[in-house]
Amino acid sequence: DAGVIQSPRHEVTEMGQEVTLRCKPISGHNSLFWYRQTMMRGLELLIYFNNNVPIDDSGMPEDRFSAKMPNASFSTLKIQPSEPRDSAVYFCASSHGRDRGAFFGQGTRLTVV
Amino acid sequence: QQPVQSPQAVILREGEDAVINCSSSKALYSVHWYRQKHGEAPVFLMILLKGGEQKGHDKISASFNEKKQQSSLYLTASQLSYSGTYFCGTALNAGNMLTFGGGTRLMVKP
Repeated sequence: DAGVIQSPRHEVTEMGQEVTLRCKPISGHNSLFWYRQTMMRGLELLIYFNNNVPIDDSGMPEDRFSAKMPNASFSTLKIQPSEPRDSAVYFCASSHGRDRGAFFGQGTRLTVV
Repeated sequence: QQPVQSPQAVILREGEDAVINCSSSKALYSVHWYRQKHGEAPVFLMILLKGGEQKGHDKISASFNEKKQQSSLYLTASQLSYSGTYFCGTALNAGNMLTFGGGTRLMVKP
């Protein structure tokens, strides 16, 4: 298995632009998670999907952030409009259910200038 | 409520043991442990569920003390490959999102 695949690996964008991060979970996993990691705030869980349905988005920082999972093999995290404070590494992870170990993608390093 | 990890950093010589603690101010349903090497993604180590269990694989094990609202990660006879930042993530109930501690940076020297 190729593991969790995220794209792009790096993204540099200007403030105000829309940013879309993409994730392909491991085939057969029914839980998908989006995380954000910064030096200041550490590792934060943003949203959790189970069977393509958003279960808990209480970690999403603002309405500028939205996430979708149109099918079992694809998810997106969108930031519109982006701000410099959104700069972080965004990880996607998947697992067989919420109470099982999650496998992380390599992350997308987002820089908003 | 973010769990508190201690120590924040530890330096070991190869072969030494270490304990990393993860404490919560609230009763926990589960504790998840991950290790992250610099510039890489976190890697799952183990999950402990309510019930006061202890788990382990190879020379890394963990315990979960519900009464103390605390989990501890034990690294025995440390190897160079154990270096990295260790995170605990906690959930208050089965439907809860994970909240991660600030991490413990572990460095193993030859």
